[in-house]
Amino acid sequence: NAGVMQNPRHLVRRRGQEARLRCSPMKGHSHVYWYRQLPEEGLKFMVYLQKENIIDESGMPKERFSAEFPKEGPSILRIQQVVRGDSAAYFCASSPTSVFEQYFGPGTRLTVT
Amino acid sequence: ELKVEQNPLFLSMQEGKNYTIYCNYSTTSDRLYWYRQDPGKSLESLFVLLSNGAVKQEGRLMASLDTKARLSTLHITAAVHDLSATYFCAVVIQGAQKLVFGQGTRLTINP
Repeated sequence: NAGVMQNPRHLVRRRGQEARLRCSPMKGHSHVYWYRQLPEEGLKFMVYLQKENIIDESGMPKERFSAEFPKEGPSILRIQQVVRGDSAAYFCASSPTSVFEQYFGPGTRLTVT
Repeated sequence: ELKVEQNPLFLSMQEGKNYTIYCNYSTTSDRLYWYRQDPGKSLESLFVLLSNGAVKQEGRLMASLDTKARLSTLHITAAVHDLSATYFCAVVIQGAQKLVFGQGTRLTINP
């Protein structure tokens, strides 16, 4: 059973471009969480999704950020018009049932130049 | 709002010594996790602590939980260089569906 997969692992974008980060949960997992880790900091919750539904987006910045988890395919975290402050590692975690069993992916390191 | 605070944030120690990392949290929680992160890597789950008085040990690491004091400790015994990493505690907010992480403790073990 493959683990949580994220791609790309590294992403470089210029200011103003769009970044799309993908997360494929473990087989059988229907819960996905996205976290952001700024340099030298802990992880901060962004959004919690189940298939086709956003359950909790309390950690998402109000502008430029969006997330989806369609019926088919990976979960996508989309950042529009990136700025330097968006440079961070973005981790996704998946769970079969609840927040209590989260398995983390390897992360996507976004660098905005 | 739940806050999770770790201390120390940086810890440099010699091999063979013992030390403890502390994790305080501000509101009632269902459970507490400890993770290890190596530079540029993802998080590795170390321990899940479910109830007051829980103690878990794996090799040179031992974690405990005091829910009344809202405190968890990660104790390192006879440290070895391979334990150099950043350690995070994380707490689940009761009734919520997310983990709240501490700032992390960067542990460096010198030969």
